[in-house]
Amino acid sequence: GAVVSQHPSWVICKSGTSVKIECRSLDFQATTMFWYRQFPKQSLMLMATSNEGSKATYEQGVEKDKFLINHASLTLSTLTVTSAHPEDSSFYICSASLGSSGNTIYFGEGSWLTVV
Amino acid sequence: TQLLEQSPQFLSIQEGENLTVYCNSSSVFSSLQWYRQEPGEGPVLLVTVVTGGEVKKLKRLTFQFGDARKDSSLHITAAQPGDTGLYLCAGAPTGNQFYFGTGTSLTVIP
Repeated sequence: GAVVSQHPSWVICKSGTSVKIECRSLDFQATTMFWYRQFPKQSLMLMATSNEGSKATYEQGVEKDKFLINHASLTLSTLTVTSAHPEDSSFYICSASLGSSGNTIYFGEGSWLTVV
Repeated sequence: TQLLEQSPQFLSIQEGENLTVYCNSSSVFSSLQWYRQEPGEGPVLLVTVVTGGEVKKLKRLTFQFGDARKDSSLHITAAQPGDTGLYLCAGAPTGNQFYFGTGTSLTVIP
């Protein structure tokens, strides 16, 4: 079946630096990708919707200048956490959609970010 | 914005017992999904419901979508330790943009 892969699975970075997380759809073209953040023992919070070839749509309260999203191709979306701080430490998960509707979405394995 | 409230937040039961998890919202959803998530992993889709009043069964799990498409429930019969995990409902007002519920952490004690 369809697979969505995230890289890296784990990353540790120093406070103030930037880190990039990749989300790839391995065997299908994803017109839309979604980025979520999950803190320990909490649910997934939708951060932004990423559409191929256009600017991402951010949820209320999510800083677009801090969480840069690029969806340059139909198989790759990237999330860059800029000037990371310890409070940005979290589990980041992406999902990819085969279409605009039809509920066919697939989740990546997630990426653990620790900012020290 | 958290549009869906789940209850209970935590649930610890003995093996063999039945349980129900509720997912409630004031918003209408075109579709609603239930997921189970293990620690450190992405969520795994259990079911998708799209029609008000719809009931779906997956072995010992029964899912129901409210008539008004604002709420849903998950019922597990004869729970087993392997059912332990974080259960999440997720609703899409339109398309595939899903918002997750607050989550229910289930522990089944052998």
